[in-house]
Amino acid sequence: GAVVSQHPSWVICKSGTSVKIECRSLDFQATTMFWYRQFPKQSLMLMATSNEGSKATYEQGVEKDKFLINHASLTLSTLTVTSAHPEDSSFYICSARLPEKLFFGSGTQLSVL
Amino acid sequence: QKEVEQDPGPLSVPEGAIVSLNCTYSNSAFQYFMWYRQYSRKGPELLMYTYSSGNKEDGRFTAQVDKSSKYISLFIRDSQPSDSATYLCAMSDFNTDKLIFGTGTRLQVFP
Repeated sequence: GAVVSQHPSWVICKSGTSVKIECRSLDFQATTMFWYRQFPKQSLMLMATSNEGSKATYEQGVEKDKFLINHASLTLSTLTVTSAHPEDSSFYICSARLPEKLFFGSGTQLSVL
Repeated sequence: QKEVEQDPGPLSVPEGAIVSLNCTYSNSAFQYFMWYRQYSRKGPELLMYTYSSGNKEDGRFTAQVDKSSKYISLFIRDSQPSDSATYLCAMSDFNTDKLIFGTGTRLQVFP
């Protein structure tokens, strides 16, 4: 099946710093990627849709200045959590869509101290 | 009412049991239905995908869709401890890239 690589898998940072998470489609081109957030024992919450070559589309309630998304190529999307605070601590997962199927990265656990 | 309802469990079964996981939905426009398995602190893994009513089988897994009742199921035969995970249903319609997820059912298979 299609492979989506996400890096890093775990990051710990101090409050106020920025963290960048990368999502790559390894064996296919993805014009659209998605970023999700997941709290413990809860389901996935779509944060934003990343479109190659254009601005990301954010879901209601998600701060676009807080969560910067860049989709500069057909195989790479990045999510930058700017000025991270402890409430941003969560599991972030990216995904990329082939026709009718969605494949996920392995996720990034962000812990903000 | 949520668009997709899924019992969060946990569901605990002995090894070898048949497991039935279910989701109901309210949007009749949904046409694509998926089941994902998620181990703790890992990304979801696509298990089954279907877009029509009826059954689809893959090894020990059978996905069932009943569009008239807006009800989908995932059956796991001969369950194994390695099947212990959270199972998420997901669905979408033709017009959007977005998937709507259920809350996930936590399954534990004990030896």
